[in-house]
Amino acid sequence: QLVESGGGLVQPGGSLRLSCAASGFMFSSYAMTWVRQAPGKGLEWVSIISGTGDGTEDADSVKGRFAISRDNSKNTLYLQMNSLRADDTAVYYCAKRAIAATGPTYNWFDSWGQGTLVTVSS
Amino acid sequence: DIQLTQSPSFLSASVGDRVTITCRASQGISSYLAWYQQKSGKAPKLMIYAASTLQSGVPSRFSGSGSGTEFTLTISSLQPEDFATYYCQQLNSYPVTFGQGTRLEIK
Repeated sequence: QLVESGGGLVQPGGSLRLSCAASGFMFSSYAMTWVRQAPGKGLEWVSIISGTGDGTEDADSVKGRFAISRDNSKNTLYLQMNSLRADDTAVYYCAKRAIAATGPTYNWFDSWGQGTLVTVSS
Repeated sequence: DIQLTQSPSFLSASVGDRVTITCRASQGISSYLAWYQQKSGKAPKLMIYAASTLQSGVPSRFSGSGSGTEFTLTISSLQPEDFATYYCQQLNSYPVTFGQGTRLEIK
């Protein structure tokens, strides 16, 4: 099970940290990802982090502004979001890679949280 | 970046119909493609991965095929619970990309 938290209303230029609490599986064995969905729009991948936390990839749209991290001792995934813009407004989902393997060719995600809404507005 | 283009973007069909959704990749991605179903206000649900492998628990009326640049998701006999939006996603390389979605509605 994945449960996101930390969303809310933030002003442009502000910061927010999202959390995703995981349970029911060996958290440290699986890469985890963030995917977002702007209101009425499609899915947009944001970031991914390896099971150990030593490898990350980001979408160009968030590079240099967002940072994905994890605390395997707490079974929790994070997304630190800085310099937020109006176009970052979206529901943010965390998701688990389906198998404990490395590499993009294993990037199908079999478990998703319910999402947390981030609204960037003045 | 690999672009995925789904067609159609909108599909109206009836219960019992056979429907096919196509996903075209801007470059060859072998069989590295997944399909998700998303119902309004809910998280996406994995349906198919590796182009044609059915995720555990997904009804057998769903099937996927294709390789290279053209892929299809087929629902053999639509059920009321199948009306949703479907997204393809490529697994070939970073950045991960999704198609724009196909909204399947009841006729």
